[in-house]
Parts: sequence; structure tokens; C-alpha cells
Amino acid sequence: GENVEQHPSTLSVQEGDSAVIKCTYSDSASNYFPWYKQELGKGPQLIIDIRSNVGEKKDQRIAVTLNKTAKHFSLHITETQPEDSAVYFCAARGAQKLVFGQGTRLTINP
Amino acid sequence: NAGVTQTPKFQVLKTGQSMTLQCAQDMNHEYMSWYRQDPGMGLRLIHYSVGAGITDQGEVPNGYNVSRSTTEDFPLRLLSAAPSQTSVYFCASVESLANTEAFFGQGTRLTVV
Repeated sequence: GENVEQHPSTLSVQEGDSAVIKCTYSDSASNYFPWYKQELGKGPQLIIDIRSNVGEKKDQRIAVTLNKTAKHFSLHITETQPEDSAVYFCAARGAQKLVFGQGTRLTINP
Repeated sequence: NAGVTQTPKFQVLKTGQSMTLQCAQDMNHEYMSWYRQDPGMGLRLIHYSVGAGITDQGEVPNGYNVSRSTTEDFPLRLLSAAPSQTSVYFCASVESLANTEAFFGQGTRLTVV
């Protein structure tokens, strides 16, 4: 089945700098790659997603890139702000299952 | 719409006890699933359902049962709780597999002593 690896597990950046989180997946049949943000005490919420027929997608300060050949995808957050501090999860969906990475705890330092 | 509602929010069980975690969604979503979240392990899929009357196993199904008698409800049953089942449990729903955003509940924090 699908296996998703996410790095790094923790990331600390200065406010205003960029943050990058990377994920790799194993199943070449996976065709949907969402990113979720989880704030303390809450369930994960979708922040951006990308499908296998697209290489890059951007939404304001957030962008996701996908390299299907290498089976990896990345989340880029620019001009980070304190409210970006949270745990971020990548995921990959194949036939019927959405499989998540291990999560990255992002801390934005003022 | 309330979205995805999980009850209870917190629960303490003794080893060997059984209980049911409730999950309900009011969005008429076809697909529902249960995950457990453990430190450093991310979200691991326990069971999922692609529609009423249909369920299947995820990555870590042992010790858990599910049923889907209605579109709205997808309860998760712990048959005989073990300390290894101490975790935070999340229920999620998706409108259909073609519409892929998953909506999560607020979670149930379960401690087995």
C-alpha cells in the first residue's frame, strides 16, 4: 500500500522567512496530494491540494509543487507569520485511502 | 451545517472495557473514515467506508470495529481496550472520492489505564 514520508519533523523559522516541508510517496497510482494544517486541540484542516496532472499550485503565501517522476511533493510558505505556527501534514490518495505523513511542527519565531 | 461531530471529546477507560466513539456528519458525504493520531506517527487510518453498508480496513484495524448503517453515522467500537489504544481519534468525511477535501471532527482523546 501507499507509504508517505514527511520531513522535517520540526521546523523553526524567523517571522518573515520562508518554510519548506517535503514529502515522498511510494504508490505511483496516487493522484491527489493535499496538505493539512492542525492547530492545537483541533482537527486538521485543508490548506492546499494538488492533483497529479498539475506541477505547481499557489494560493497567496502558500504553494505546493509535485514531481511525479521522483514521487515527491513540497509545501512552501513565504513571508511566514506567527499564525502559521502549527502542525502540517501531507497526504497522498490512491484508490480509496488517504494516507498521511508523520507531520511537521512549524514554529515561527518573532 | 455542524460538519463532522465527534463524541465524546475526552474519555478514560480501564483495560478490557469496551466503548463506542461516535461520529456524525450532516453534509451527506459518501466517504467516512477513522484515524488515530500518535506523536511522531502522523494520522494512521483505522477503518473507512465508501457508503452505507460498506466498510473496509485501513492500516491499523486490529482491536477496532466499525459499521455504517446510515450515511450520517460511522461509529468506532473498541472491543476490549488496551493501553496501546491510548491516542487521539479523528473522524473524517469526504463528499465523494471525486471531490476529495476531507473534513475532520474535533477529535476524541482516549486514555486507557
